Amino acid sequence: AQSVTQLGSHVSVSEGALVLLRCNYSSSVPPYLFWYVQYPNQGLQLLLKYTSAATLVKGINGFEAEFKKSETSFHLTKPSAPMSDAAEYFCAVTYGIQGAQKLVFGQGTRLTINP
Amino acid sequence: EAGVTQSPTHLIKTRGQQATLRCSPISGHTSVYWYQQALGLGLQFLLWYDEGEERNRGNFPPRFSGRQFPNYSSELNVNALELEDSALYLCASRGRNPEIAITTGELFFGEGSRLTVL
Repeated sequence: AQSVTQLGSHVSVSEGALVLLRCNYSSSVPPYLFWYVQYPNQGLQLLLKYTSAATLVKGINGFEAEFKKSETSFHLTKPSAPMSDAAEYFCAVTYGIQGAQKLVFGQGTRLTINP
Repeated sequence: EAGVTQSPTHLIKTRGQQATLRCSPISGHTSVYWYQQALGLGLQFLLWYDEGEERNRGNFPPRFSGRQFPNYSSELNVNALELEDSALYLCASRGRNPEIAITTGELFFGEGSRLTVL
């Protein structure tokens, strides 16, 4: 079965530092991959998605992710994180034959930004 | 354009009671998904409705049920509430554009309904 693993349930960085959130997937078919962000007491918001076009995907708020098939990874990065990026981040993969899709989410990574 | 809306925002029930949560998808979206987000457990897939029919369900007991109405809105019912049902319940919708939705699976989420069982 397809699955997503996020390495590290908590990541803490200093304000202005590089952010790297790790995501590895397992999929027997070409995957479509997503990163979502959840701010406190809110629903999920799509940050970016990979849909078999360019392997380096740019999203909102300066985030980007690179699809690496050889490593089955889709890590999320941002060069410099402000305090407002503190949130929970979810990696997700979609799979299945036409008409049977659903998103499978990782367990989430809580990002803390230290002043 | 209105996003996915959920009601109520908060709901407090006691053990053994029933809870009903509601979701209105984005206009034109025909698929509705329900997810449970319990503390420390991430997002767990509950149910998927499309065109009024249940298409898939996650690993939850039968007391979790729901339906989708002709206008594509959806209702999640949880019977015989247990303490561990306390969670944020998220609804999401997806369009049915065959060139986009089926291949990308992008979901649009509501802000959730927080259920507390005492």
